[in-house]
Amino acid sequence: QVQLQESGPGLVKPSQTLSLTCTVSGGSISSGSYYWSWIRQPAGKGLEWIGRIYTSGSTNYNPSLKSRVTISVDTSKNQFSLKLSSVTAADTAVYYCARGQYSSSSGVYYYYGMDVWGQGTTVTVSS
Amino acid sequence: QSVLTQPPSASGTPGQRVTISCSGSSSNIGSNYVYWYQQLPGTAPKLLIYRNNQRPSGVPDRFSGSKSGTSASLAISGLRSEDEADYYCAAWDDSLSVVVFGGGTKLTVL
Repeated sequence: QVQLQESGPGLVKPSQTLSLTCTVSGGSISSGSYYWSWIRQPAGKGLEWIGRIYTSGSTNYNPSLKSRVTISVDTSKNQFSLKLSSVTAADTAVYYCARGQYSSSSGVYYYYGMDVWGQGTTVTVSS
Repeated sequence: QSVLTQPPSASGTPGQRVTISCSGSSSNIGSNYVYWYQQLPGTAPKLLIYRNNQRPSGVPDRFSGSKSGTSASLAISGLRSEDEADYYCAAWDDSLSVVVFGGGTKLTVL
């Protein structure tokens, strides 16, 4: 059974870069038709999709964060990562990593939702 | 302000049937699949419904999803105390090129 675990600093200073890693266990990050996502949730608020990466390296980012976000994958470590630059207090949130399923046919992608989630890690932006 | 609109709260008594609505537009719900996630207090979201009305393995058939035009609904029948949670709808938005979520509905079992 695949499990995801987020890790990284819980406190980041304003203007610095937030860096988180999601470690995949119980399966290979490269196998199957999966994409790997980051989602965040400010305290007491709703979910915000940050972006996703396919094991091919292809990415999709939330346009509202695109200029500051980089998602990468390290298949040798079975991990994928999030970097968010120039953070402010507005970036304080619980950050989740998640696995999504998809299939493709003739260049058309079919999605099946994000079915495995990490437990989440709290990141606070403060000096 | 979320792109998808959900009522902030819903409630029901044990055994009752409740529905949660999710309203969007032609660029999201109107042209793409809808997904529903359940978030129990203090935990990560869990996929409840995918592709409008499909249940992942292990999700009870008390949960069902539907979609019509630019709106979708989640129905929970035989309400149980353990269903008390926040529920989020989600869909891809073709105009924004982003996965959009509803603001969430807090379900209370009275």
